[in-house]
Amino acid sequence: EPEVTQTPSHQVTQMGQEVILRCVPISNHLYFYWYRQILGQKVEFLVSFYNNEISEKSEIFDDQFSVERPDGSNFTLKIRSTKLEDSAMYFCARGGQGLNQPQHFGDGTRLSIL
Amino acid sequence: DQQVKQNSPSLSVQEGRISILNCDYTNSMFDYFLWYKKYPAEGPTFLISISSIKDKNEDGRFTVFLNKSAKHLSLHIVPSQPGDSAVYFCAASGWETSGSRLTFGEGTQLTVNP
Repeated sequence: EPEVTQTPSHQVTQMGQEVILRCVPISNHLYFYWYRQILGQKVEFLVSFYNNEISEKSEIFDDQFSVERPDGSNFTLKIRSTKLEDSAMYFCARGGQGLNQPQHFGDGTRLSIL
Repeated sequence: DQQVKQNSPSLSVQEGRISILNCDYTNSMFDYFLWYKKYPAEGPTFLISISSIKDKNEDGRFTVFLNKSAKHLSLHIVPSQPGDSAVYFCAASGWETSGSRLTFGEGTQLTVNP
């Protein structure tokens, strides 16, 4: 049983459209992460979120991406104007409290851009 | 990004024998290392971790060894079971330089034959 629940499990969207991917933690945590895995490639870090603010982001996380925790529970990743190359598995993870704690992943959302 | 590398895309072992999965890294600032297991259509599941102050960590059938001078870590599974068949990812983080973001290897597909 994953410690975070991601919805939807599969999202199909036309290029140029906005998508919102959602992550719901089972219990209250402060550290959240988004990663993606393009088919056949490595799992890549996108962004980390601590105490309702972005704490780190990768070079992939450009202006078309945003994250927020709108209601104190759900944690969302928004892609404003999707491109074909955004097609990937997107994983949300929650972190432990403190240094050197493992991250625990959800089952992911498969995003397909047509 | 070649900072974490798993050179073997696949490994096949007999049930009951030892499985040894290997991982190399290049960034000397990494100080925390993790192994994840991934089944199809699921997210990565945390298995075991080790910090750079140790050279071995054991949890049941799983043992991780860290050789800092060689920048190499390995995961030993003994005895291997058919249910261990999955993709195994190593990952690393270095708090001082890259915070808590995880850098992943390519993964190794382990198949345990009955």
